[in-house]
Amino acid sequence: AQTVTQSQPEMSVQEAETVTLSCTYDTSESDYYLFWYKQPPSRQMILVIRQEAYKQQNATENRFSVNFQKAAKSFSLKISDSQLGDAAMYFCAYRSAIRGGSNYKLTFGKGTLLTVNP
Amino acid sequence: NAGVMQNPRHLVRRRGQEARLRCSPMKGHSHVYWYRQLPEEGLKFMVYLQKENIIDESGMPKERFSAEFPKEGPSILRIQQVVRGDSAAYFCASSVTGGSSYEQYFGPGTRLTVT
Repeated sequence: AQTVTQSQPEMSVQEAETVTLSCTYDTSESDYYLFWYKQPPSRQMILVIRQEAYKQQNATENRFSVNFQKAAKSFSLKISDSQLGDAAMYFCAYRSAIRGGSNYKLTFGKGTLLTVNP
Repeated sequence: NAGVMQNPRHLVRRRGQEARLRCSPMKGHSHVYWYRQLPEEGLKFMVYLQKENIIDESGMPKERFSAEFPKEGPSILRIQQVVRGDSAAYFCASSVTGGSSYEQYFGPGTRLTVT
């Protein structure tokens, strides 16, 4: 079974600074997707960024980028120019891309609570 | 295009009562997933349904929990005889189809409190 580990329960960053959230995962599969979700106080789950394991290039979405290290099974999220609205719980998630298996299940880490200080 | 709708947003039940949580998927989506988020935890998969079919309920407790997605109307997650340990946020997600390349869109969740 796949597992996702987020070793930082809480992180804080100054507004306009950069912060990196860590995520490691364990899988025996070679084809999969990785995600970062944001959960603000409203509790709505918002997809921040997605990475396909077969792609070597790291995904980027505006101020959000990832550092995907497949061999190390590491998937960190970098938030540049942090804004007050970035304050939220961030979840790392894994999803298999293997056909015929349980490739619809998202497996989540326990989350990292990000505080942005003005 | 409305997103995934869940109601109620908050539900309070006394121990032993029944809880019914509703999920209306996005327009055009026929695949629904339920996840549960216990306090201080990430979301955990419960069940995957297509219209009139349960595809995978491996994440759902064997007793007291059931789910359905009828041909017409919303998907329902039903918890009978609730206990304090059922207190959690329950999220529904939907997708246009079940393949791994298709994104799941989440609803705002229902927070169940059992007193």
